[in-house]
Amino acid sequence: DVKVTQSSRYLVKRTGEKVFLECVQDMDHENMFWYRQDPGLGLRLIYFSYDVKMKEKGDIPEGYSVSREKKERFSLILESASTNQTSMYLCASSFEGHEQFFGPGTRLTVL
Amino acid sequence: AQKVTQAQTEISVVEKEDVTLDCVYETRDTTYYLFWYKQPPSGELVFLIRRNSFDEQNEISGRYSWNFQKSTSSFNFTITASQVVDSAVYFCALSERVTGGGNKLTFGTGTQLKVEL
Repeated sequence: DVKVTQSSRYLVKRTGEKVFLECVQDMDHENMFWYRQDPGLGLRLIYFSYDVKMKEKGDIPEGYSVSREKKERFSLILESASTNQTSMYLCASSFEGHEQFFGPGTRLTVL
Repeated sequence: AQKVTQAQTEISVVEKEDVTLDCVYETRDTTYYLFWYKQPPSGELVFLIRRNSFDEQNEISGRYSWNFQKSTSSFNFTITASQVVDSAVYFCALSERVTGGGNKLTFGTGTQLKVEL
């Protein structure tokens, strides 16, 4: 079975802190994705990567950056967390053109 | 730009009723994929089905069935004889190839299904 893991299920941070969300997949997928999920808005794509060291902006990249140094790992970085970044963050991976497999999510609260 | 519309925000049914979740999409691509995902209260999205734009055959898997109609740009999902365990948020999604390689998904806003005894 494909497994996508995320470093934390719940995280509480303070405004201005630098936040790292880690995602690891074990199926050698080329593509990895970061979404945030907010009530009434569905899933919105923040960033994605289709290869190591490659990254592409999604629909809402502002305030975020990413890093993909190894194929299996894709990190989302909040350089200076703000309260409007309180959300559920979901990581996913896939082979090209195929279904995405999701991690369990990280619920981030920024105080 | 691609768009996926799930007009039903919330549906409540009584157990054993049939229920259909609607999904309408917009795309300029001639080749694309459509997906349905389930998100139970635990929060993890579970893949249900992928449909290629060239394959308009309906699909049935147990109590689940999907109706893909290219003419109306719809990909509807029906649960027959619903059960309490079907209570979840269901998302429809559309794939899009992006410059430089890879695919990304555009999700609808989801339909919350509540199945009551």
